[in-house]
Amino acid sequence: DAKTTQPPSMDCAEGRAANLPCNHSTISGNEYVYWYRQIHSQGPQYIIHGLKNNETNEMASLIITEDRKSSTLILPHATLRDTAVYYCIVMGNNNDMRFGAGTRLTVKP
Amino acid sequence: GAVVSQHPSRVICKSGTSVKIECRSLDFQATTMFWYRQFPKQSLMLMATSNEGSKATYEQGVEKDKFLINHASLTLSTLTVTSAHPEDSSFYICSARSTGAYGYTFGSGTRLTVV
Repeated sequence: DAKTTQPPSMDCAEGRAANLPCNHSTISGNEYVYWYRQIHSQGPQYIIHGLKNNETNEMASLIITEDRKSSTLILPHATLRDTAVYYCIVMGNNNDMRFGAGTRLTVKP
Repeated sequence: GAVVSQHPSRVICKSGTSVKIECRSLDFQATTMFWYRQFPKQSLMLMATSNEGSKATYEQGVEKDKFLINHASLTLSTLTVTSAHPEDSSFYICSARSTGAYGYTFGSGTRLTVV
């Protein structure tokens, strides 16, 4: 599995956009980029995933660079409830999902 | 969307006893489920992959005789922590692969405390 690198922590002001970066320079052509988040003492929650095109859903947007070596998760209007650990995971089909250290996002009032 | 139910959410047991944790896929069939363990302030660590109708595949360093996994049906996998000790106290989480857009769906986790 390709490894990912994320900053250990980030702060964001409530109501502002939160941009969470992820480096995955060794990603293979058939591997997807997944983002999950984990709020304290809960199971991880799926946010979004993509292969090479940018993706948007009701929770977030995912921007993947053209060379696919990095991506950014964007929470357009962060709220206090978005405080969580965000995990960027690179994975091919039929692979198991392995977690790195993630980014601890703190949304401040 | 796909839902995975995990039970119990919290359990306290005495040292030396066994504890069973259930993981159910509620609205889809899961031929493969995964079990993770998470210690405080750490990330999730994959323990084993549970395959319906066959033996589980354990990660290196995980004792298969201590962490018994049974995946007897397409909607249920169980993890039994045998002869639990205080160092087994942790947050255990299961997940299942769904065929929809969500990829992997996770249970809400089980906090095990061994006293």
